[in-house]
Amino acid sequence: DSGVTQTPKHLITATGQRVTLRCSPRSGDLSVYWYQQSLDQGLQFLIHYYNGEERAKGNILERFSAQQFPDLHSELNLSSLELGDSALYFCASSTTGAYGYTFGSGTRLTVV
Amino acid sequence: KNEVEQSPQNLTAQEGEFITINCSYSVGISALHWLQQHPGGGIVSLFMLSSGKKKHGRLIATINIQEKHSSLHITASHPRDSAVYICAVRIRGGGADGLTFGKGTHLIIQP
Repeated sequence: DSGVTQTPKHLITATGQRVTLRCSPRSGDLSVYWYQQSLDQGLQFLIHYYNGEERAKGNILERFSAQQFPDLHSELNLSSLELGDSALYFCASSTTGAYGYTFGSGTRLTVV
Repeated sequence: KNEVEQSPQNLTAQEGEFITINCSYSVGISALHWLQQHPGGGIVSLFMLSSGKKKHGRLIATINIQEKHSSLHITASHPRDSAVYICAVRIRGGGADGLTFGKGTHLIIQP
């Protein structure tokens, strides 16, 4: 157990639907990063939250959004899902990026 | 061109062999990470480097900042080392951005 908890582990949904992925960071970590891993693009940075505030955006689609709550857990919301959104979604937590990252086990999203 | 390039893409070796995986990057970085991903998906952070060399058990990671190159070595390889090894960098001046990743090296160690 890395200390970073992601739920659910697997999610199957239909095109056009909306899903929410959840991440609880390691105790004491204020930063949460979301990453997408697809077969064709590999791992890509989506978005970073620090202590409840958005700090940086990467290759995140407008259909995707995230937030971090006062208890520091974060949610990644994916809407109007397309087949191409099927991927593994990881979150990673950190005290600051300078001290490394701890990854969760990922959520495998399948859009059918 | 990708900012982080790994070689080889695939590597099959026999148990006990010395393994080297290479990573080259084309941008200024503040740190380089080596990650391990087993079948089933979870990612484990192996090393974070900003200079020199680090060792953990049978794993050794080196970085040459001037040449923009890092290597991950596995000594006395074992079938349980079979995994995808991913090089990732934190770009200097990238602010609060996340990591930029290589495509990974798929390693298979045969008994």
